Amino acid sequence: DAGVIQSPRHEVTEMGQEVTLRCKPISGHDYLFWYRQTMMRGLELLIYFNNNVPIDDSGMPEDRFSAKMPNASFSTLKIQPSEPRDSAVYFCASSFGGTSQYFGPGTRLLVL
Amino acid sequence: EDKVVQSPLSLVVHEGDTVTLNCSYEVTNFRSLLWYKQEKKAPTFLFMLTSSGIEKKSGRLSSILDKKELFSILNITATQTGDSAVYLCAVVYNQGGKLIFGQGTELSVKP
Repeated sequence: DAGVIQSPRHEVTEMGQEVTLRCKPISGHDYLFWYRQTMMRGLELLIYFNNNVPIDDSGMPEDRFSAKMPNASFSTLKIQPSEPRDSAVYFCASSFGGTSQYFGPGTRLLVL
Repeated sequence: EDKVVQSPLSLVVHEGDTVTLNCSYEVTNFRSLLWYKQEKKAPTFLFMLTSSGIEKKSGRLSSILDKKELFSILNITATQTGDSAVYLCAVVYNQGGKLIFGQGTELSVKP
């Protein structure tokens, strides 16, 4: 099992640019979660999906952030336009039945 | 407000020591409590606890949950330098598996 796969692993972009982060969950898992981690705020849940349907997006910071899950094996988190305060590590995690979550390696985003 | 609080926030011990990390929570519709270890990368899953008083054990690590007093502890015996990491406690607290993390305990094990 390859585990949760995220891409890219690192992203450096300029303020105002669109950023798209990608995630492939573990096969058979029915929940997918997007997190953001910073030194100041720790790990924060942004949004999660169950069977490809967004369940709770109350953690999404603002309208510049959007997430989609077009099928059971793929999700994207998009930031448009990006800002320097969006710099963080973004993790995707998946689980079966909404309990133990397995994290991907993360995408380290730097917005200049 | 739902919250998860870990203590201590940081801890420095020497190899061979035993440590106890604490996690207390206040959430509605508690489902389970999870422990993770995070080094310089993604969190890795350690334990999931759903029932009070039943110890989960993996090697030198063990954990137990008290649903009456709303806390959990993570014990590490005979610590090694490789145990140095941030240990995260998280609570799953609704039907949909929404999860809230504590601040983490940064453990440093000195040789």
